[in-house]
Amino acid sequence: DIPLTQSPSTLSASVGDRVTITCRASQSISNWLAWYQQKPGKAPKLLIYKASNLESGVSSRFSGSGSETEFTLTINSLQPDDFATYYCQHYNSYPWTFGQGTKVEIK
Amino acid sequence: QVQLQESGPGLVKPSETLTLTCTVSGGSITRYVWNWIRQSPGKGLEWIGYIYHRETINYNFDFRSRVTISADTSRNQFSLKLTSVTAADTAIYYCARSPRDQQEWAYFFDFWGRGTLVTVSS
Repeated sequence: DIPLTQSPSTLSASVGDRVTITCRASQSISNWLAWYQQKPGKAPKLLIYKASNLESGVSSRFSGSGSETEFTLTINSLQPDDFATYYCQHYNSYPWTFGQGTKVEIK
Repeated sequence: QVQLQESGPGLVKPSETLTLTCTVSGGSITRYVWNWIRQSPGKGLEWIGYIYHRETINYNFDFRSRVTISADTSRNQFSLKLTSVTAADTAIYYCARSPRDQQEWAYFFDFWGRGTLVTVSS
């Protein structure tokens, strides 16, 4: 397994803030990383794939960067709809694994 | 637009077999990769395994001795069987698609079902 560690676990922010979430892999995963947003009672929603590619239909306020072992998800100008939990997932080698999640809360 | 819907019993007794079905609409399961993923408070999101082009199957080795994924192309469904369940298998189970046929090594999940809660209890 390649564990993924997200930080922080919880993030308090205000509408309009720029927020950054980090995902670290225990070994290199190249750029085979995706980011998801999940709201309570819903399935995760794909935001970013291959580290920095924005999924069709996702707001350009979301962006991803990084490679090898360190990755970031940035949300510019946080909107009320963005308060949710965010997960990273690698697909470099079996088994695919997810980070433990980062909850973005209203400050 | 691809849609996925999980179905199956919401309650399974310990030591029995959990069986879930995912019905896909808006696309054929003969293309793309079809996954099972679960989510529990204790272990978070866990990828269980996938089936690809009906015959290529990969499982998370954490589940390998207990899991079977199969496909019924006539019904456009794929299924999950998990044997010898315990309380630790209580989770929301999702089916999801990976767009492997569209992109190289595209093993992320672009379409998800709504999930179904399975509780293991006597």
